[in-house]
Amino acid sequence: SYELTQPPSVSVSPGQTARITCSGDALSKQYAYWYQQKPGQAPVLVIYQDIERPSGIPERFSGSSSGTTVTLTITRVQAEDEADYYCQSADSTGTRFVFGSGTKVTVL
Amino acid sequence: EVQLVQSGAEMKKPGESLKISCKGTGFRFTSYWIGWVRQMPGKGLEWMGIIHPGDPDTIYSPSFQGQVTMSADKSINTAYLQWRSLEASDTAMYYCARRGDAYILDFWGQGTLVTVSS
Repeated sequence: SYELTQPPSVSVSPGQTARITCSGDALSKQYAYWYQQKPGQAPVLVIYQDIERPSGIPERFSGSSSGTTVTLTITRVQAEDEADYYCQSADSTGTRFVFGSGTKVTVL
Repeated sequence: EVQLVQSGAEMKKPGESLKISCKGTGFRFTSYWIGWVRQMPGKGLEWMGIIHPGDPDTIYSPSFQGQVTMSADKSINTAYLQWRSLEASDTAMYYCARRGDAYILDFWGQGTLVTVSS
């Protein structure tokens, strides 16, 4: 089955930059999407089609892609950015969604 | 304003059946796929499957095929997820989400917590 691999955790000091990677073979063919989930809340889309930011999402959130790896970058991290982040894409056939295992971002 | 409003928390016993709902407002419900996502306690997001209320066509994740049934009633803009016989391992938060362009899940419901315990 198709998988997306993320690091379990990332720690960052306020004002610094956090980078979260997501790797998977189909990422070279399919777009990636990133969701932020805070405790007790539903996920919220923060990046779509690898690099696009929905309206209302702060500019400090950005996405990039290279081969089979995509990266979510949060610059000038704030305490409110502490959350779980999930990447999501589709399998190579384009018929099924898949989520990464999630990365917990801790703001020190 | 696009909204997905899910039914309330459920507490069930093993072996019981259950149907939870997801009502869409603020968009043409029959033009979008609606997906279901499971999140077990303290765990990550798992894609269960997706339904197109206008057809209705369904695609299940292999992990959930045969375990749940997705359906929709387009007359009331509502999608459903149901179980015939719950198990303790079905205890989780269940989210519905609208599929936008490509594979984006652009709007999410607030989640329905299902607890299965004897």
